[in-house]
Amino acid sequence: DTAVSQTPKYLVTQMGNDKSIKCEQNLGHDTMYWYKQDSKKFLKIMFSYNNKELIINETVPNRFSPKSPDKAHLNLHINSLELGDSAVYFCASSESGRSSKNIQYFGAGTRLSVL
Amino acid sequence: DQQVKQNSPSLSVQEGRISILNCDYTNSMFDYFLWYKKYPAEGPTFLISISSIKDKNEDGRFTVFLNKSAKHLSLHIVPSQPGDSAVYFCAAIHANNNDMRFGAGTRLTVKP
Repeated sequence: DTAVSQTPKYLVTQMGNDKSIKCEQNLGHDTMYWYKQDSKKFLKIMFSYNNKELIINETVPNRFSPKSPDKAHLNLHINSLELGDSAVYFCASSESGRSSKNIQYFGAGTRLSVL
Repeated sequence: DQQVKQNSPSLSVQEGRISILNCDYTNSMFDYFLWYKKYPAEGPTFLISISSIKDKNEDGRFTVFLNKSAKHLSLHIVPSQPGDSAVYFCAAIHANNNDMRFGAGTRLTVKP
C-alpha cells in the first residue's frame, strides 16, 4: 500500500530517446510534484500540478512535460533525452491549498541513466 | 541560487549521543521549515517541521530549533540510534507561493 509509487525504479536508455516515468498516489492529494536530484544531491522542483494550475520551474527544458490523466497520477515525459538528464527523479504529492503545512510525501525515486 | 544550505555533508556520532544537524537559509520570505529523512533507494520521508512563529518544536527524540534572526535552524536527535543513520534534508517553504526549497542534505552515521 505504497502511498506514492513511481515506475520504473531504474531506467537506462540511449541519448535521443523519448521516455516516460509514471507516478501514482493513493493519498487523495490534489497536488503532485516532480523533483530532480542532481549529481550534487540537491532536490530541485521541476513541476507542481493540481487540478487548477501547472507551475513550471522556468529552468526546466521544454523537453520535459508532465501529463496528468487524473488527480491521482502525474507522469513525466521526456523527449530527446540528453546525457545531462541522468539523475534521480522523485514524484511527490501533498494536500492542495496555499497552506504553510505543505507536507509532501515522496515516491522512492526513478534513477534515469542516459548513455 | 541555493536558498537553503546544509554546509555539513556528513556527520558521525556515537550511539546514545546527541546529533545536531544544521541548516541556513537566505530568503526571509520562508515561513515554514521541514526536515526530511532519506534512506538509500527510498524517497525522502517527512520527519518534523516548524512554523516561523515558533522557535522550537519537539517530537520524541527529535527537536527542531529555529533562529529567525540568524536564518538558521537545527535538528537535534537525542539519544541517537543506529537506525537514525540516513541523509537528512532541510526544506523551507515560501510564504507566498508555497514553493519548497531543499538543502543538499547531511549524511548522518550513528555508530554502535
